[in-house]
Amino acid sequence: AQSVTQLDSQVPVFEEAPVELRCNYSSSVSVYLFWYVQYPNQGLQLLLKYLSGSTLVESINGFEAEFNKSQTSFHLRKPSVHISDTAEYFCAVSDQSGGYNKLIFGAGTRLAVHP
Amino acid sequence: NAGVTQTPKFQVLKTGQSMTLQCAQDMNHNSMYWYRQDPGMGLRLIYYSASEGTTDKGEVPNGYNVSRLNKREFSLRLESAAPSQTSVYFCASSLPGSEQFFGPGTRLTVL
Repeated sequence: AQSVTQLDSQVPVFEEAPVELRCNYSSSVSVYLFWYVQYPNQGLQLLLKYLSGSTLVESINGFEAEFNKSQTSFHLRKPSVHISDTAEYFCAVSDQSGGYNKLIFGAGTRLAVHP
Repeated sequence: NAGVTQTPKFQVLKTGQSMTLQCAQDMNHNSMYWYRQDPGMGLRLIYYSASEGTTDKGEVPNGYNVSRLNKREFSLRLESAAPSQTSVYFCASSLPGSEQFFGPGTRLTVL
């Protein structure tokens, strides 16, 4: 069975500082990997995804994540955060045999950006 | 283009009452999903419908039923609500080979 572990439940950081949100997964098959963001009182929005090809994927608002197969990780990074990045971030995995039908989510990491 | 819509936004039930959460999408997606979100546990899949006319159990289906009414609509029913079903419920939809799009959620409290 697949599982996702987000190693930090909360990450406080000052504005313009770099941040890394950690995600590890376990699976016996090849996977697709996702990061979703949830702003307060809203649904989830896709931030970025790894399907195949380049192991480094980027979002339009400056986040990036790197798929590391040997370490079964998909950590999310941003070199300089803004107040508006304050949100909860969820890492998710789906096995390639099932396509996108079943996502397994991590417990989430709450990013709090302080001025 | 409204995306994924859910009704109601909030609901309070007494133990034993029943209710149906409604979800609709206007993106012509084949697959639809119901999740529940609880603090510290992320989102857990309750049921999903890979295509119109099919439904399958997810990780936590007990106490719930679903209906894929047509391609647009996917409802979740609680026949006899319990306090353990207090949660935020999200509906999502997707095309084959594409990411899931989420609705704004329904916050349910069972007293």
